[in-house]
Amino acid sequence: GQQVMQIPQYQHVQEGEDFTTYCNSSTTLSNIQWYKQRPGGHPVFLIQLVKSGEVKKQKRLTFQFGEAKKNSSLHITATQTTDVGTYFCAGRSHPSGANNLFFGTGTRLTVIP
Amino acid sequence: GAGVSQSPRYKVAKRGQDVALRCDPISGHVSLFWYQQALGQGPEFLTYFQNEAQLDKSGLPSDRFFAERPEGSVSTLKIQRTQQEDSAVYLCASSLAVAGVYEQYFGPGTRLTVT
Repeated sequence: GQQVMQIPQYQHVQEGEDFTTYCNSSTTLSNIQWYKQRPGGHPVFLIQLVKSGEVKKQKRLTFQFGEAKKNSSLHITATQTTDVGTYFCAGRSHPSGANNLFFGTGTRLTVIP
Repeated sequence: GAGVSQSPRYKVAKRGQDVALRCDPISGHVSLFWYQQALGQGPEFLTYFQNEAQLDKSGLPSDRFFAERPEGSVSTLKIQRTQQEDSAVYLCASSLAVAGVYEQYFGPGTRLTVT
C-alpha cells in the first residue's frame, strides 16, 4: 500500500540555523501538500505542489516537488522560535481520483532560543 | 464564518461503551474527511464524504466504526464497543471541493481515551 515516509523524525536546531525535512513516497503522487501542527494543535495547511520539479517559496520556507513526483522537501532558512511544531507532508496518489491524502510520519522541529 | 468545529473536545469512555463524535465543517464545503491521529504519528485517513455520499471508507479500522453525514453538512463518527486501541485524537477536516485537490481545514480534534 501507499507509504509516505519523512526524515528526520526529530530535529533540534539553534535559532537562526536552517532546517530541512524530506518526504518520500513509495508511489508516484499527483500532488503533495504540506501541513504544520503546533504542539497541542491541529494541522494547518501551508502549501500544495502539483507539477514535477515545482519549487515554491513562502518567506523563509522553500518547498520542492521532485522530478519523479515521489519526493518532496521543505527547507526553512534562519529558523525562529515560531517555527516550532511538527511538519507533515501529505500526498495524493496518482492517478487522480483517489479520495484521500496519505500523511507522512512528520518531522518534529524544536528551535532552541 | 468560523472554522471546522468538533465536539466533544475530550471524551473518556470505558471499554465497551459506544461513543459519538461530531464534526461541523465550514459552511459550503463539499468534502469532509475523518482522520485518526495516534500520539506522535501523522493523521491516518478513516473516511471521506462528498456531500452526503460516503465515497471512501477504506480507512475505517473495523466494523465498529461508522460515519454518516446525512444532510451533507454535519458529520458524526460513531465507535461501538470501544477498545483501548481506539484511544487517539480524531480529526475532522473539510475541503471546498474535490478530495485531495484543495487544502483541507482541520478541526481541533476530539481526544478519545478508552479506559
